[in-house]
Amino acid sequence: NAGVMQNPRHLVRRRGQEARLRCSPMKGHSHVYWYRQLPEEGLKFMVYLQKENIIDESGMPKERFSAEFPKEGPSILRIQQVVRGDSAAYFCASSLDRDPYGYTFGSGTRLTVV
Amino acid sequence: GDSVTQMEGPVTLSEEAFLTINCTYTATGYPSLFWYVQYPGEGLQLLLKATKADDKGSNKGFEATYRKETTSFHLEKGSVQVSDSAVYFCALSDNDYKLSFGAGTTVTVRA
Repeated sequence: NAGVMQNPRHLVRRRGQEARLRCSPMKGHSHVYWYRQLPEEGLKFMVYLQKENIIDESGMPKERFSAEFPKEGPSILRIQQVVRGDSAAYFCASSLDRDPYGYTFGSGTRLTVV
Repeated sequence: GDSVTQMEGPVTLSEEAFLTINCTYTATGYPSLFWYVQYPGEGLQLLLKATKADDKGSNKGFEATYRKETTSFHLEKGSVQVSDSAVYFCALSDNDYKLSFGAGTTVTVRA
């Protein structure tokens, strides 16, 4: 029973390119959450999705960032026209129910913008 | 808004030493409190939790007590092992899905 799978583990992008981060939730989990950890800071909530729906995107920057969780396939966090300030670790978590006690986290994607 | 402040690291200890990591919080309601641990190369794992004042969470020899009067949730372990080397995150939730995290404390235990 694989855990939450995130890929790639490390991603390097030049300024202005697009970054796509993938998250496959645990089997049977239909709730997905994305968090971002900037250097020297704690994880910050970005977005909460269920299959085909964005439930709460209050933590997403207003521009360049988008997230989806399609009916089939992984959840995708997409960052367009990346800038150096986007360099961070991006963590995905999934849960069976809408419940912080039941979160399972992935190992994260480390994005470096050069 | 909600926030969590935890002790800055890194912390380096010898095996069998006592570990304490301070965590204080600010929240408008009555949040649930958590400690997560991240071992090298892995995702965050829930270590323990407490859902109301005076609750004590415990797991793997670690303990933390929810102190409403001091808005604190300090993590303690009486005798650490090399395998406890990890990054520890304090977190809170005052709704049913969103977590607010501290910056993390890196702990290194030397044999």
